[in-house]
Amino acid sequence: QVTLKESGPGILQPSQTLSLTCTFSGFSLSTYGMGVGWIRQPSGKGLEWLANIWWDDDKYYNPSLKNRLTISKDTSNNQAFLKITNVDTADTATYYCARNYGSYFDYWGQGVMVTVSS
Amino acid sequence: DIQMTQSPASLSASLEEIVTITCQASQDIGNWLAWYQQKPGKSPQLLIYGATSLADGVPSRFSGSRSGTQYSLKISRLQVEDIGIYYCLQAYSAPYTFGAGTKLELK
Repeated sequence: QVTLKESGPGILQPSQTLSLTCTFSGFSLSTYGMGVGWIRQPSGKGLEWLANIWWDDDKYYNPSLKNRLTISKDTSNNQAFLKITNVDTADTATYYCARNYGSYFDYWGQGVMVTVSS
Repeated sequence: DIQMTQSPASLSASLEEIVTITCQASQDIGNWLAWYQQKPGKSPQLLIYGATSLADGVPSRFSGSRSGTQYSLKISRLQVEDIGIYYCLQAYSAPYTFGAGTKLELK
């Protein structure tokens, strides 16, 4: 059974760094073709893909967030991470991690709400 | 970046009605297209992948099709549990992009 769960700080202040963790089970990020992605959704709005990390440590980022994103993984502990630097109120959203296998996000976590506020 | 233009933005339909939602890709993406359903307060659920393949556990009343760079999701007989927001996703190349969503409501 594949499950994913996101965790994060809940609330943080503008200019801080957002650190998110995705803890998963039921698959391994060392499996050929496997990946984990991060997607976010501001309240009442649509979905925005942020970043992907693959079994071979290849990484893809959304250029719209310029150089603010860093994705990484800990294969031994079945975790993936996302850092977003210099956050502002526009980064307030629900953040999802999802398994990416065969190019599609087939299993998603429940999401974690992040609020950026001074 | 590949743009996905989804229509309509909202749709009101009756039970048992046929519903069709479309996404137009700004360039050729082959069959690298997925459809998701999102219910209020829940994470998106994969319905269709590869433009036409039904994901595991998805009812057969859902189907996907492609004509060139236009992709369609069809619900053959709308049920109460189908209410929600539907998104398309192009998985052809990064940055992966979603359509803006279609909010499906009961008439």
